[in-house]
Amino acid sequence: AQSVTQLDSQVPVFEEAPVELRCNYSSSVSVYLFWYVQYPNQGLQLLLKYLSGSTLVKGINGFEAEFNKSQTSFHLRKPSVHISDTAEYFCAVRTNNDMRFGAGTRLTVKP
Amino acid sequence: GAVVSQHPSRVICKSGTSVKIECRSLDFQATTMFWYRQFPKQSLMLMATSNEGSKATYEQGVEKDKFLINHASLTLSTLTVTSAHPEDSSFYICSAGQGARGTEAFFGQGTRLTVV
Repeated sequence: AQSVTQLDSQVPVFEEAPVELRCNYSSSVSVYLFWYVQYPNQGLQLLLKYLSGSTLVKGINGFEAEFNKSQTSFHLRKPSVHISDTAEYFCAVRTNNDMRFGAGTRLTVKP
Repeated sequence: GAVVSQHPSRVICKSGTSVKIECRSLDFQATTMFWYRQFPKQSLMLMATSNEGSKATYEQGVEKDKFLINHASLTLSTLTVTSAHPEDSSFYICSAGQGARGTEAFFGQGTRLTVV
């Protein structure tokens, strides 16, 4: 079975600073990769996904992520964060009949 | 994107009773449904995967007799927490997909279950 590791449980950052949320995965089969955002007491909203093709994917709210197969990573980045980006972010890996999540990274944007 | 409706959003029940949570795909046919449980400030833990018309596949450690999953149609899956206890209190989230690998899974808004 595949697994997902989010290396940072909490990331504090100042407004307008760049941010990177790290995600590594392991799997014996090909996977598809996702980043989701979750606000308190809500479900998940898809930020972006990598299925195939270009390894740099752009998502909503100015986020982007780069798939690196050799390093089995899918790090999420944003060049300039806003207060409203404060939330929990989850990296997820999907195979044919399975979808698993990392432990999550709490992004806190400070003024 | 596609819409998944999960109901109820919040439920409080007495210990020993059963609670049913519904997950509906409103504008697509969901051949696969995933059920997750999320404890406070933790990640989503996959409980089970169900395919329409067949029995759900439960993750190790998840009691199938306690968490009954039914996926009788392509637009509806239900999770019933039987004989609920306070330790079952949690946030339950469903997601629905169309089965093909790589297809995005769409998430419901979650159900906050509190057992008193």
